[in-house]
Amino acid sequence: KAGVTQTPRYLIKTRGQQVTLSCSPISGHRSVSWYQQTPGQGLQFLFEYFSETQRNKGNFPGRFSGRQFSNSRSEMNVSTLELGDSALYLCASGYGRDYNEQFFGPGTRLTVL
Amino acid sequence: AQSVAQPEDQVNVAEGNPLTVKCTYSVSGNPYLFWYVQYPNRGLQFLLKYITGDNLVKGSYGFEAEFNKSQTSFHLKKPSALVSDSALYFCAVRDPRGGYQKVTFGTGTKLQVIP
Repeated sequence: KAGVTQTPRYLIKTRGQQVTLSCSPISGHRSVSWYQQTPGQGLQFLFEYFSETQRNKGNFPGRFSGRQFSNSRSEMNVSTLELGDSALYLCASGYGRDYNEQFFGPGTRLTVL
Repeated sequence: AQSVAQPEDQVNVAEGNPLTVKCTYSVSGNPYLFWYVQYPNRGLQFLLKYITGDNLVKGSYGFEAEFNKSQTSFHLKKPSALVSDSALYFCAVRDPRGGYQKVTFGTGTKLQVIP
């Protein structure tokens, strides 16, 4: 089975711009979660989608949004980028039961200048 | 609210020696507990999990973890460390009560295995 794929792998943007990140889960997985990883804050949960519905949301401002399509692929959007949004954004997929482990993609490294 | 703590930012161990990476959690009921490993410039990889049953859980790459309810701990262990085990390790917890809850990750412990 192919793993979780994320595109693009690297991205450089300037403050005020917006960005869209994409995640393709493992075939058969209906849950997709997004995390922000930074050296100072560790791994922070952004949101989780299951069958096109947002099931959980972390404590991030409304500039961070996401969606999931009928084929379980997911996108994450950040509007009005700030310097502090520079981070590794990780996507994880799973079957969606609370005892299921998650399978992570390699991440998208976003740098905001 | 659920939480997880990894008290050590870094653990150094000599190759061939046993290793332990510590994790404690706070959940009102019986938790679901997970360990993940992250190699440089990679996403996290699942190592093992505790859901119910035997307190000693065996996982990938020779790792195991022991669930201790009285001490609210889930320490990761390996009898003999390899240099290739050097990576960042994350403990995670999920409270199975009250509907579907998000996973909470610890801050991570960097394991350095010295040749």
